[in-house]
Amino acid sequence: QQQVKQSPQSLIVQKGGISIINCAYENTAFDYFPWYQQFPGKGPALLIAIRPDVSEKKEGRFTISFNKSAKQFSLHIMDSQPGDSATYFCAASEIKAAGNKLTFGGGTRVLVKP
Amino acid sequence: NAGVTQTPKFRILKIGQSMTLQCTQDMNHNYMYWYRQDPGMGLKLIYYSVGAGITDKGEVPNGYNVSRSTTEDFPLRLELAAPSQTSVYFCASSYLDRGRHEQYFGPGTRLTVT
Repeated sequence: QQQVKQSPQSLIVQKGGISIINCAYENTAFDYFPWYQQFPGKGPALLIAIRPDVSEKKEGRFTISFNKSAKQFSLHIMDSQPGDSATYFCAASEIKAAGNKLTFGGGTRVLVKP
Repeated sequence: NAGVTQTPKFRILKIGQSMTLQCTQDMNHNYMYWYRQDPGMGLKLIYYSVGAGITDKGEVPNGYNVSRSTTEDFPLRLELAAPSQTSVYFCASSYLDRGRHEQYFGPGTRLTVT
């Protein structure tokens, strides 16, 4: 069974702090690892994504760290802001497989306190 | 571009009723998807389509049907609604070309079956 396990389920961080969300996968054929951000009442939106040929990708305050041998990847939100309060989902897929079907983690609800 | 649009936004069904959730995208994407999101959980793939006339099952297809007669539209049909189908349904679209793999999500349809 293709699974992506995400932790923690929720976290609270002070404004300016670092939020860290971790994900682990089982299927070694996965070669695309996106993170999605979802606000209440909205659909998920792509935040940042990484391919397994790099160990880290940074876009603004958001960084993905990828450990291929451990089959783990994580999202770091630096200088967390109240506007970052949302639910974050990691996901994984095989790009070359028909349909590029995403397998999602269970989500992490992040609350940034001012 | 409106992106991915879904109708209705909300719906309450009685057990055994049927309905169609509408999804339309105006980005000329060849791939389209239907996901369900149960409270506090990640998204699970119901069905997907790699182009007009081609559909395939995802992780949780039981109780649902789809069709794809045009590139733009990908309706999801519930034939005999059951309480277990109470969920938020998201439609998404994407295309795989020149390394771009982002799935764009609609705003969702919140369905309650009582």
